[in-house]
Amino acid sequence: NAGVTQTPKFQVLKTGQSMTLQCAQDMNHNSMYWYRQDPGMGLRLIYYSASEGTTDKGEVPNGYNVSRLNKREFSLRLESAAPSQTSVYFCASLVQATSSYNSPLHFGNGTRLTVT
Amino acid sequence: QKEVEQNSGPLSVPEGAIASLNCTYSDRGSQSFFWYRQYSGKSPELIMSIYSNGDKEDGRFTAQLNKASQYVSLLIRDSQPSDSATYLCAVPTGGFKTIFGAGTRLFVKA
Repeated sequence: NAGVTQTPKFQVLKTGQSMTLQCAQDMNHNSMYWYRQDPGMGLRLIYYSASEGTTDKGEVPNGYNVSRLNKREFSLRLESAAPSQTSVYFCASLVQATSSYNSPLHFGNGTRLTVT
Repeated sequence: QKEVEQNSGPLSVPEGAIASLNCTYSDRGSQSFFWYRQYSGKSPELIMSIYSNGDKEDGRFTAQLNKASQYVSLLIRDSQPSDSATYLCAVPTGGFKTIFGAGTRLFVKA
């Protein structure tokens, strides 16, 4: 059981280049998330998808776009990379989220992105 | 005010001591609360979830929740060097948005 799979593991981009981070989960989870993690700042939510066909902005959405391709896959796109987007990116999923109950997040192994 | 705040740390405790990690949150409507542990260079892993006021124990870990005070804590008893990691408090707000605190780095000295 692979859980949450992220690709690539590492990436170096030049300023202005674009790229897409891929994420897939095989746990039949409904909700999927993209976070970035910078030193001393914990995990900050970029975008999330509560269910297939929906996406919403998180805390730091500027400079990013997302696509919930199907129930399994949720991609994050950087259209024009900037040095400020150098970070570790985590994809996560969970089985159920309501106003009164959330199941825990399951995380992928992360993508370390450097923008020069 | 950040939605989820944690002790800035780092927190250093001797082996065998109790480590106490604290977290406050701003959304009074939050109903689910989580503690994750993250080793350097690794992804976060769930160690405790708590949904009701009071204490929840799992081995050496105890989570405490006080919704009236908007406060959740994690106690680690008999701390071991292997507990040295960053501990992240996570609180879903508005249903789907899980927000994390900045994390508290714990060092357990042998």
